[in-house]
Formats: sequence, C-alpha cells, structure tokens
Amino acid sequence: EDKVVQSPLSLVVHEGDTVTLNCSYEVTNFRSLLWYKQEKKAPTFLFMLTSSGIEKKSGRLSSILDKKELFSILNITATQTGDSAVYLCAPTIDNDMRFGAGTRLTVKP
Amino acid sequence: DGGITQSPKYLFRKEGQNVTLSCEQNLNHDAMYWYRQDPGQGLRLIYYSQIVNDFQKGDIAEGYSVSREKKESFPLTVTSAQKNPTAFYLCASSIIPPYGYTFGSGTRLTVV
Repeated sequence: EDKVVQSPLSLVVHEGDTVTLNCSYEVTNFRSLLWYKQEKKAPTFLFMLTSSGIEKKSGRLSSILDKKELFSILNITATQTGDSAVYLCAPTIDNDMRFGAGTRLTVKP
Repeated sequence: DGGITQSPKYLFRKEGQNVTLSCEQNLNHDAMYWYRQDPGQGLRLIYYSQIVNDFQKGDIAEGYSVSREKKESFPLTVTSAQKNPTAFYLCASSIIPPYGYTFGSGTRLTVV
C-alpha cells in the first residue's frame, strides 16, 4: 500500500526563522515528487523533483529529493507571515499523485 | 486564460439528495481527477479519467459517480450513498504522464 508521511504535522515559528518540512514516501512506480502550498483553497505548485540530490530553489524556498532513502525536504528561510499555509507533498506514480496529510505552518509576526 | 473552473464554490445539500459538482478545463489536458480533502488528511483520490468515456476508481470512490463525455468536462456526482459527504472537493487536470497538475479552486459541500 502506498504511504506518504509528512512531518511535523504542525509547526509554529516566528518571522525570520528557518523551517524544514519533511516528506517520506513508500510508493510503487515512483515518477516524481511535487510540493504544493495550500492556503485557503486550491494547492499552488511549488516544486517538482525528479532527480536525487539536485536542489531546486525559488526565492526563500528550496527542496531536495533523496530517491534512495525515499524522502524529500522543503526548506523555507527567513519565514514571513505570508508563508503560513499547509504544505503538501505528493509523489506521483504512473498517472496519479499520492498526497501526504500536509504540514500546517504558522508564522507569527 | 487557461485553467480549471469548478462550480459552485459552496454547496449545501440535504441528506438523501444527490448533488453534482462541475469541473471544466480549457487546458487541453487529457487527464482529470477528483480529490476530496478533510481536515487533518491529505487529498484523497475519488475518481480519475485519462480519456473521454473512460474513468477509473480512486481510493474512495464509494458513494460517488463521474462521467467524461467531453475532454473538457468531468462532473462528479455525490450520491445519497456517500455516508459522510461534507468536505472540500478539488478537481485537477494534467497531461499524461502527469508531470504537471493544475487545480481548480474547489467546491465546499456541506450536508445539512
């Protein structure tokens, strides 16, 4: 059975802190891993990772995949209140995604 | 602009009634998906379709039905057989293989 575990489930930090969100997975026919940010409604795309060890960066966000150990991390540096959201990771398998439960990040001023 | 349109945004239903959620995309994507989201849980797949007139059950298909008569449209019917239908429903689409997904803005269904 496919399994996606995100940790922590919930995280509260102050502006300026750096956070690391974790995603471990056990899925068959793995193709890639996607990270999404979900605020009020639909998830918005952050990263797609297909190769191990290659960091992807977008501003203060970065992510890396380890296909041998079956996990990925999402880092956010110098957090801002606008980073408050649920962050979802989703390994893609064949023609589908499997979502983790998400990490709820709250950034306090 | 290309995208996915879900309607309505909010929907109230009485117990025992069927209700249909609309999902339309103009991205020319072959694949479309329906997900359900509950508090504290990840998105769970209800149904997906890779081609017109064909669809497959996801992890939680019981109590739901879909159709794919047109490439652009993938409506989801929540039937009275769905025991706990109150949730947030998201529609998505992708190319095949799915190296990119686009989500609609969701429909929040409340059963009263």
